[in-house]
Amino acid sequence: KQEVTQIPAALSVPEGENLVLNCSFTDSAIYNLQWFRQDPGKGLTSLLLIQSSQREQTSGRLNASLDKSSGRSTLYIAASQPGDSATYLCAVLYSGGGADGLTFGKGTHLIIQP
Amino acid sequence: GAGVSQSPSNKVTEKGKDVELRCDPISGHTALYWYRQSLGQGLEFLIYFQGNSAPDKSGLPSDRFSAERTGGSVSTLTIQRTQQEDSAVYLCASRFAGGGETQYFGPGTRLLVL
Repeated sequence: KQEVTQIPAALSVPEGENLVLNCSFTDSAIYNLQWFRQDPGKGLTSLLLIQSSQREQTSGRLNASLDKSSGRSTLYIAASQPGDSATYLCAVLYSGGGADGLTFGKGTHLIIQP
Repeated sequence: GAGVSQSPSNKVTEKGKDVELRCDPISGHTALYWYRQSLGQGLEFLIYFQGNSAPDKSGLPSDRFSAERTGGSVSTLTIQRTQQEDSAVYLCASRFAGGGETQYFGPGTRLLVL
């Protein structure tokens, strides 16, 4: 069974710090990897999508890297702000064409202290 | 609306009753997905539709679960004879099959079975 693991499960840091969230997956034959953000009582917002042939993607203060051979991805958040507080989910797609759903990790619950 | 919508947003039901959950995907998105998010279990893929067809229903948790999609748009997820373990947030996502793999999620339906 394909598994996605996220570490840490929870993280609390003061505002302004840079931080790294980790994601690992057991089967390296992925099609792509996505990072999502989930706010309480709301759906998921896609932050970054990395294709299997790519090494990283950047959007604003967010940078996601992918090392397919080692089965790892990291999400780097620079200069964290209280508005970044949310649960961050890593998800892997194992085949293109969309016939399979995403396999999700259980998330990292992030709190940025003002 | 511009995004994926789901109804109801919350549903409380008694054990043994049937419930029907609805998803309206983004206009023009031919691919539609249902996921379930349970406490402590993370997000679990249930079923995928391409148009009105669901090629693989093996992700549905039991034969009490069924889903259909009509007109290539609205989808309904039906749970018959609900059990307490069905309590979860049910999320729907849609994707434009013609380009990109990003799935766009709705806000979810929070189901509580008493």
